[in-house]
Amino acid sequence: DADVTQTPRNRITKTGKRIMLECSQTKGHDRMYWYRQDPGLGLQLIYYSFDVKDINKGEISDGYSVSRQAQAKFSLSLESAIPNQTALYFCATSDSRTGRYNEQFFGPGTRLTVL
Amino acid sequence: DAKTTQPTSMDCAEGRAANLPCNHSTISGNEYVYWYRQIHSQGPQYIIHGLKNNETNEMASLIITEDRKSSTLILPHATLRDTAVYYCIVTGAGSYQLTFGKGTKLSVIP
Repeated sequence: DADVTQTPRNRITKTGKRIMLECSQTKGHDRMYWYRQDPGLGLQLIYYSFDVKDINKGEISDGYSVSRQAQAKFSLSLESAIPNQTALYFCATSDSRTGRYNEQFFGPGTRLTVL
Repeated sequence: DAKTTQPTSMDCAEGRAANLPCNHSTISGNEYVYWYRQIHSQGPQYIIHGLKNNETNEMASLIITEDRKSSTLILPHATLRDTAVYYCIVTGAGSYQLTFGKGTKLSVIP
């Protein structure tokens, strides 16, 4: 099945370290998104990309950067991790060709702990 | 995007219909109602969406009131696997952004 995958699934790191979370998709979708979820809360949008050359900040982009290496790959980096970036991170995709822009398909998530 | 209000939690007996309400009194004419669910820290899953007509698919039905100020997601025969947090989201047709609130935690009880 066409899918959205995230690596790593779990990661523990220390304050100040640089870390990259990766997302790959085989759905052929053009749009990709990164969200974070804090315990007991909904998801917040970090960055989104409509195609390889179109990357945009979401509502909580400070402290994060992204790279869209190909249509199928979208990476999220924490340049200098801090403890309040401990959260569950989700990647998602959608297909603008269908017009169903808000039907997003989510990956399984990466649980990140910053000590 | 319009704000939504959902109950914090609900229980439903297995095999019965689960009716999850959502208020969105400030919805504008070109905004859609979307429903997603999240099963225990997994990635959210799209369920259904609608503009003003009632909608049904293999997972659920969506009933939108005539004034569009509220809606109800109906799971016709809830199973234990339907235990999840359900999110009601209002967003414009051309919008890219889904704003997830805290949702409703539905517990399906044997």
